[in-house]
Amino acid sequence: DVKVTQSSRYLVKRTGEKVFLECVQDMDHENMFWYRQDPGLGLRLIYFSYDVKMKEKGDIPEGYSVSREKKERFSLILESASTNQTSMYLCASSLLGAQSYEQYFGPGTRLTVT
Amino acid sequence: EDKVVQSPLSLVVHEGDTVTLNCSYEVTNFRSLLWYKQEKKAPTFLFMLTSSGIEKKSGRLSSILDKKELFSILNITATQTGDSAVYLCAVYGGSQGNLIFGKGTKLSVKP
Repeated sequence: DVKVTQSSRYLVKRTGEKVFLECVQDMDHENMFWYRQDPGLGLRLIYFSYDVKMKEKGDIPEGYSVSREKKERFSLILESASTNQTSMYLCASSLLGAQSYEQYFGPGTRLTVT
Repeated sequence: EDKVVQSPLSLVVHEGDTVTLNCSYEVTNFRSLLWYKQEKKAPTFLFMLTSSGIEKKSGRLSSILDKKELFSILNITATQTGDSAVYLCAVYGGSQGNLIFGKGTKLSVKP
């Protein structure tokens, strides 16, 4: 069974803080993704990675950065958290050849920025 | 602009009813269409459709794709309260070849 885990289920941070969201997958998947999910907007892609040390911007990368130092781990970084980054963050992974394989999702981190 | 549109946005039915969820898309470089079920947490994969007219089936759930009319439907027969969830439709395509998600259909099944 594919397992994608995220470091926290719930997180509360203050405006201006640096925030790290960690994602780990145990199936040796090449592709990893970060999405945010907001009511009425659905899932939107923030960043993705096809390989270690490789990253690509998704649809809404502003205010975020990512790091992939190891194949199994993909981190999302909010350099200076703002209230409009309050959201549910979902990590996903898939085999290479992304369009041929389903993405497996982690349980999500609900981040509140006050 | 690439887009995936799901309808209805929400639906309330009673146990035993049959429901049909709709997903239409306008996506360049279409590769495949996926359905996910999302309860309180992670979306879980249901189906991947790549060819028109071929029904995929899993228990009481089935889905079909029409690449000419650019839509897919997800059918659930004899609904149960455990089917209550948000159902997400997503299409692989666009300029980056990533998944483009619809906003989801929230299904509530009343006992």
